[in-house]
Parts: sequence; C-alpha cells; structure tokens
Amino acid sequence: AQKVTQTQTSISVVEKTTVTMDCVYETRDSSYFLFWYKQTASGEIVFLIRQDSYKKENATVGHYSLNFQKPKSSIGLIITATQIEDSAVYFCAMRDPYGSSGNKLIFGIGTLLSVKP
Amino acid sequence: EAAVTQSPRNKVAVTGGKVTLSCNQTNNHNNMYWYRQDTGHGLRLIHYSYGAGSTEKGDIPDGYKASRPSQENFSLILELATPSQTSVYFCASGDTRQDTQYFGPGTRLLVL
Repeated sequence: AQKVTQTQTSISVVEKTTVTMDCVYETRDSSYFLFWYKQTASGEIVFLIRQDSYKKENATVGHYSLNFQKPKSSIGLIITATQIEDSAVYFCAMRDPYGSSGNKLIFGIGTLLSVKP
Repeated sequence: EAAVTQSPRNKVAVTGGKVTLSCNQTNNHNNMYWYRQDTGHGLRLIHYSYGAGSTEKGDIPDGYKASRPSQENFSLILELATPSQTSVYFCASGDTRQDTQYFGPGTRLLVL
C-alpha cells in the first residue's frame, strides 16, 4: 500500500535561514507524482510545488525547492531565506496514477514550521 | 482564480442527526474530493468523484455518503452522525489532466 511519512513533527528556525523538511514515501509503481502543500494558521491549504518521478531535475518555485532522491524514496522540501509568514504546517503528498488509488492524493501527517525573528 | 467554497463553515450536530456538507467549485474541474483532517492523521480521503453523477469510495468511507449532482457541486452526507465524526472537513477539486488539487476553506463539524 502507498504511504507517505513525515517524521519531523515540528521545526523552529530563525528567519532568513534555510530549512529542509523531510518526507519519505512508499509505492510499488515506477511513475508517480509528489507534492508539497502548506496549511496556514487560518486553515487554508495551498499547493506549493510538485515533482514528477520521471524527471531528474529538482523542481523549484520561488524560494521553494525540492531534494528528490528516488533511490531513497525521499522528497525533501527546502525553503530558503525563510520569512515569518512561512510559519505553517507543511504536508507532503503522493499521487499514484496507475495504482488502485487512481487520482487520489495520499498525505503525510505534516510538519509544523515556526519561523522566528 | 480557482475557487472552492464550502458551507457551512462551522456546524454543531447531535448524535444520530443528519448532516450535509456542501462544496461548490468554479474551476470547471472534473474531479472533486472530500477529506477529513484530524490531529495525528493528516488529511484522509473519504469520497471522491470523477464527474457529475459519479461518486467513489475513498480510504475511510464508512459512515459517509456523497452526492455529485452537477460539475460544480459535491456534497458529503452523514446520515447518522456520531461523535467520532467530529473533525475538520475539506473539499478539493482537480482537473483530470492536471495533478494539483485546490482546496476549500474547510468545515469544522462538532457532533455532540
């Protein structure tokens, strides 16, 4: 069965530094999609960035980037130059297009990021 | 801009009562999803739909029904609400070709 694991419950950093959040996944399929979502204090869930498993290049969007290590089934989220407003819960998710889950997303339990002045 | 709305935003229900949560999307997406969010579990899929008239069971469908009367609307129905269904419920929409799901603001449900 598919599974997404985020082992870091919470992380605290000082603003303007770089933070990495870990995520490992399990799937039997060779092709899949990986996502990171952000949930703000208000509860809003926002899509941040995605990685297609067949792409070797790490995805980058603004100050978000991914560290995709396929042999390790790992997809880390890197936030550079963190800002106070980056404080949120970050969810890793996986979509398996060919497995029994169809188009569904499987989510990790989230990592709480606190960015302090 | 993509828009997914949910109503009500907050709901208090009694055990054994019927609860209907509504979701509307203006993205013209084929796929819609209902998740619940609980501490320690993250987001878990309850039901989803590939289009008007279709509903599919997700990972935790027991105690829930879903209805997709149109492209825009997707409802989650709790026929006999129980306290264990106290949670925050999120609706999302996504295009068949794209992978990104867009989430609504959530509905906080308390079953007493």
